[in-house]
Amino acid sequence: GAGVSQSPSNKVTEKGKDVELRCDPISGHTALYWYRQSLGQGLEFLIYFQGNSAPDKSGLPSDRFSAERTGGSVSTLTIQRTQQEDSAVYLCASSLVGGGGGTDTQYFGPGTRLTVL
Amino acid sequence: AQSVSQHNHHVILSEAASLELGCNYSYGGTVNLFWYVQYPGQHLQLLLKYFSGDPLVKGIKGFEAEFIKSKFSFNLRKPSVQWSDTAEYFCAVNTLDNYGQNFVFGPGTRLSVLP
Repeated sequence: GAGVSQSPSNKVTEKGKDVELRCDPISGHTALYWYRQSLGQGLEFLIYFQGNSAPDKSGLPSDRFSAERTGGSVSTLTIQRTQQEDSAVYLCASSLVGGGGGTDTQYFGPGTRLTVL
Repeated sequence: AQSVSQHNHHVILSEAASLELGCNYSYGGTVNLFWYVQYPGQHLQLLLKYFSGDPLVKGIKGFEAEFIKSKFSFNLRKPSVQWSDTAEYFCAVNTLDNYGQNFVFGPGTRLSVLP
């Protein structure tokens, strides 16, 4: 596609429910990133995929958070047993090359605004 | 671990004023540096980037940034701001380690330009 897309754009859920957030990266981009942006906060790195593998999971805040990427394309971020502190905008970004040299530019999607009641 | 700090949380300027937003990082190796901007209601987009060569880089909309290696800084500047520059600005550092790329973003600086 022309850019990174994310769905849904907004998600309201009740505390304790599971949610799935989807990211479609730019076609051909091998690297994919998930971030969280809480109100008044900067970007918090969550996880990074190089192809289908995730060499860096250090940013996932708890074991309730998981992510997968299939076919080197679409990625899903799953939050189990959501808590109110999970409320944030979840951003996805993709870049062309990934592990090669660190010169990649990330292209961001519009984000999914998650509200946990 | 790498970290990125941005000097100001919120900057308020009048139109035509000059702008400088500070960014410092902590990493002793080779870095690639970025400034991203998020306009109200829009998603993050790249403003400019530095990989190598001339440490003074120019980006879109009249923005520029200077990489000063000795100061671990990458400050963003614009000689004359406009109301449309009102946005959140994020400095980011990309390094390469054994796990691949490592993007670290600063906390952001909110710029409000008064008409």
